[in-house]
Amino acid sequence: GDSVTQMEGPVTLSEEAFLTINCTYTATGYPSLFWYVQYPGEGLQLLLKATKADDKGSNKGFEATYRKETTSFHLEKGSVQVSDSAVYFCALSDIAGGTSYGKLTFGQGTILTVHP
Amino acid sequence: DAGVTQSPTHLIKTRGQQVTLRCSPKSGHDTVSWYQQALGQGPQFIFQYYEEEERQRGNFPDRFSGHQFPNYSSELNVNALLLGDSALYLCASSFGLAVRPTLSGANVLTFGAGSRLTVL
Repeated sequence: GDSVTQMEGPVTLSEEAFLTINCTYTATGYPSLFWYVQYPGEGLQLLLKATKADDKGSNKGFEATYRKETTSFHLEKGSVQVSDSAVYFCALSDIAGGTSYGKLTFGQGTILTVHP
Repeated sequence: DAGVTQSPTHLIKTRGQQVTLRCSPKSGHDTVSWYQQALGQGPQFIFQYYEEEERQRGNFPDRFSGHQFPNYSSELNVNALLLGDSALYLCASSFGLAVRPTLSGANVLTFGAGSRLTVL
């Protein structure tokens, strides 16, 4: 079945440092890929998405590129802020073209802590 | 504009009991999905309701059941609780059976803050 693997955490960075969170996936067909963020006490929020190979999703300074050849979707940000401290989840949908039908497969999450 | 609301926020049960969790979708949404998030893990898909019917189901036993009401709200029921059912239960709503997540707001899969269930 489909699966998503994220780098082990937690990740601790100083403000303005460069962030990379690795994500690789296993899926049949051509899934769509997502990054969600979960702040303490809040629900998951969609951060960015990519629906086909070589697509780059971006939002709030975060970026991730859909790499079909390496089955990866690594999250990057050039300069993190304290307010970026949260749990980040990589996820895929089993329907191509961005339609998820509500069923997402998530990775285990990576805790990011940014210190001033 | 209220987002997805879930109740209760926290509850404690004992093994063998039954629990009902409730979810009101975001205004304008008609599809509800439920996820289980164990501590330190990513959410796992339980099932999805649309037009008051279960449309998709993940790998969860029949002890997990649900319902959707005409006003699109939903309930998740878990019978014969086990210690391993302790988790954060997330409800997510969307519009229509085919969800196209966008960053503009339309048809985004919107999650509630969850109901944290502890089974003793």
